[in-house]
Amino acid sequence: QTVVTQEPSLTVSPGGTVTFTCASTTGAVTSSYYPNWFQHKPGQAPRPLIYSTSNKHSWTPARFSGSLLGGKAALTLSGVQPEDEADYFCLLYFGGARVFGGGTKLTVL
Amino acid sequence: EVQLLESGGGLVQPGESLRLSCAASGFTFSSSAMSWVRQAPGKGLEWVSSMSGSGGNRFYADSVKGRFTISRDNSKNTLYLQMNSLRAEDTALYYCAKEEITFDYYYMDVWGKGTTVTVSS
Repeated sequence: QTVVTQEPSLTVSPGGTVTFTCASTTGAVTSSYYPNWFQHKPGQAPRPLIYSTSNKHSWTPARFSGSLLGGKAALTLSGVQPEDEADYFCLLYFGGARVFGGGTKLTVL
Repeated sequence: EVQLLESGGGLVQPGESLRLSCAASGFTFSSSAMSWVRQAPGKGLEWVSSMSGSGGNRFYADSVKGRFTISRDNSKNTLYLQMNSLRAEDTALYYCAKEEITFDYYYMDVWGKGTTVTVSS
C-alpha cells in the first residue's frame, strides 16, 4: 500500500519562509505523479493551491510556489502571513489511484 | 459560478447502507472527472473514489473497494456514492471534488462543502 508522508507540523514567524515536503514510499516523487497542494482550514472546504508540481490556480497567492526537491514534491510559502495558519495536504496521482499525504499543520507564531 | 453541493449524509448503524449525492452546476459536468474524498474526525484527507466524465473508468481506495460504488448521471449533473456494509471507520465528512485530467495536468479544482456520515450503533 502506497503511503505519502508529510511533516506533521511546522512553525514559522510572520514574514518568514517555510517549505513543506511530500514523499512517497514508492520512491522519488516526479512530475509524473502530478503533485497537487491544498490548504485546509477548519470548517472550510480544501482550497487548491498548486497542481502538476508547480502550476498555480488563478486564485493562488503569489507567495505560494511548488517544485520538486530532493526526490520529493515541495510547497514553499514566502512572506508568511497570519492567515496562512492552516493544514496543508499534498496529493499524488498513481495511475487511477490518488493518495493524499497525512497533512502538515502550519503554525504562524 | 461553479458549485458542488453534497447531500445524503446521516447517522446509520454498522452494516447499513447510505447513498450520497453531489449536485454540480456552472460547468460541463459530463466533461469532468469527479472524485469523493473524506476526512474522518481529527484525521487528514483520504481519497475514496474517482470516476471519469463518461463513466467508463472508476477507481477506488482499497479501504472501500467492494463496499462502495461510484456512479454519475450526466443528464442530471449529479455524482453518487453508494456506500454498503458501512463500518465505524467510514465515519467522516465526505466531499465531492471536480477534477481536470489532461495529458499534462491532473488536479482537483472545485470542492463542495461536504456531507457528514456517522456510523454508530
